[in-house]
Amino acid sequence: GAVVSQHPSWVICKSGTSVKIECRSLDFQATTMFWYRQFPKQSLMLMATSNEGSKATYEQGVEKDKFLINHASLTLSTLTVTSAHPEDSSFYICSARGLAGNTIYFGEGSWLTVV
Amino acid sequence: GQNIDQPTEMTATEGAIVQINCTYQTSGFNGLFWYQQHAGEAPTFLSYNVLDGLEEKGRFSSFLSRSKGYSYLLLKELQMKDSASYLCAAMDSNYQLIWGAGTKLIIKP
Repeated sequence: GAVVSQHPSWVICKSGTSVKIECRSLDFQATTMFWYRQFPKQSLMLMATSNEGSKATYEQGVEKDKFLINHASLTLSTLTVTSAHPEDSSFYICSARGLAGNTIYFGEGSWLTVV
Repeated sequence: GQNIDQPTEMTATEGAIVQINCTYQTSGFNGLFWYQQHAGEAPTFLSYNVLDGLEEKGRFSSFLSRSKGYSYLLLKELQMKDSASYLCAAMDSNYQLIWGAGTKLIIKP
């Protein structure tokens, strides 16, 4: 079946540094990728939607200059958390929708801890 | 507005059957998804319904009634490993997923 790979699974970084998380669709072309954040014991929160070759659409309250999203190809999207702070520590999850449109698969998620 | 409702928490006994309900209101409709999420892990896909009726897949079945804006996930022969959160999500006319808050299912021996 379709696989979405997310890397890294775990990352610890110092406050003020930037961290990049990659999301790859391994056996299908993902026209749209979604980035979510999930705090412990809370629901998934959609951060942004990215379509290949165009700028990401950010949800209200999500700082686009802090969470940089790039979707340069049909198989890769990246989320860069810039100038990370401890409050950015969270579980970040990507999902991808293929050309058929009606099934969405999730990556394994990335735990970010900012110290 | 767009809205998804599902119970916050349910408890069931190992070996039993449990039904998790979900009601939705969306702008347009392109299907209803159920995902399972274990604590600390990303959601995994369980089912997708776009036509009315019951879809059976092993111990898990999912039902959809488009006219009622209603779906349920049925889990049979419950196992301890089924303890997880179950997320209901409806896809609107723009192919965006509208998420429920999730139902935490607790399985007791």
